[in-house]
Amino acid sequence: NAGVTQTPKFRVLKTGQSMTLLCAQDMNHEYMYWYRQDPGMGLRLIHYSVGEGTTAKGEVPDGYNVSRLKKQNFLLGLESAAPSQTSVYFCASSLNRALNTEAFFGQGTRLTVV
Amino acid sequence: AQSVTQLDSHVSVSEGTPVLLRCNYSSSYSPSLFWYVQHPNKGLQLLLKYTSAATLVKGINGFEAEFKKSETSFHLTKPSAHMSDAAEYFCVVSDQWGADNDMRFGAGTRLTVKP
Repeated sequence: NAGVTQTPKFRVLKTGQSMTLLCAQDMNHEYMYWYRQDPGMGLRLIHYSVGEGTTAKGEVPDGYNVSRLKKQNFLLGLESAAPSQTSVYFCASSLNRALNTEAFFGQGTRLTVV
Repeated sequence: AQSVTQLDSHVSVSEGTPVLLRCNYSSSYSPSLFWYVQHPNKGLQLLLKYTSAATLVKGINGFEAEFKKSETSFHLTKPSAHMSDAAEYFCVVSDQWGADNDMRFGAGTRLTVKP
């Protein structure tokens, strides 16, 4: 059972470079989320999607874009990376609203911007 | 809007002694509350959840938490710590009737277990 898979697991970028993080889930979940985790701050929601073709902003969306062209995939893009985007990024999915249902998390992507 | 405060950033216990990780929440409506565990270099795994049923919730690996509305708390406990419990723990709150993006994570508590 794959669950939620994130690629890549590690990446180092130079300031100004762009990249895309891929999240794939095989559980037919409607909801998908991108979080960033920084020391002492827990997880903060960047963007989320409530279904194929829909996306919405979370708590810290600036500098990121997302797309959900297929139900199973949720892409997070950085158009012009900045050192402030150095973080660990987590993707999650849930059957519907992550309230009474469990959110499943990927293993994380450690991104360093130099 | 809801929020959650984990009262300790780091807790250290000896193996075999009780564990207490404290969480206080703020919620306008009916909260759902969760505890997740994150082992080093791993994703988050659900330990347990409260969704307005029994106030004492039992989770995996011997953990449990009690929802106390009067104290707005959802503390995580375990009678006897094991070395494998060493990890970071996150308390999460969400309003059952809130928006789709309303899950809020605490800052996390790092649990260290000494032999």
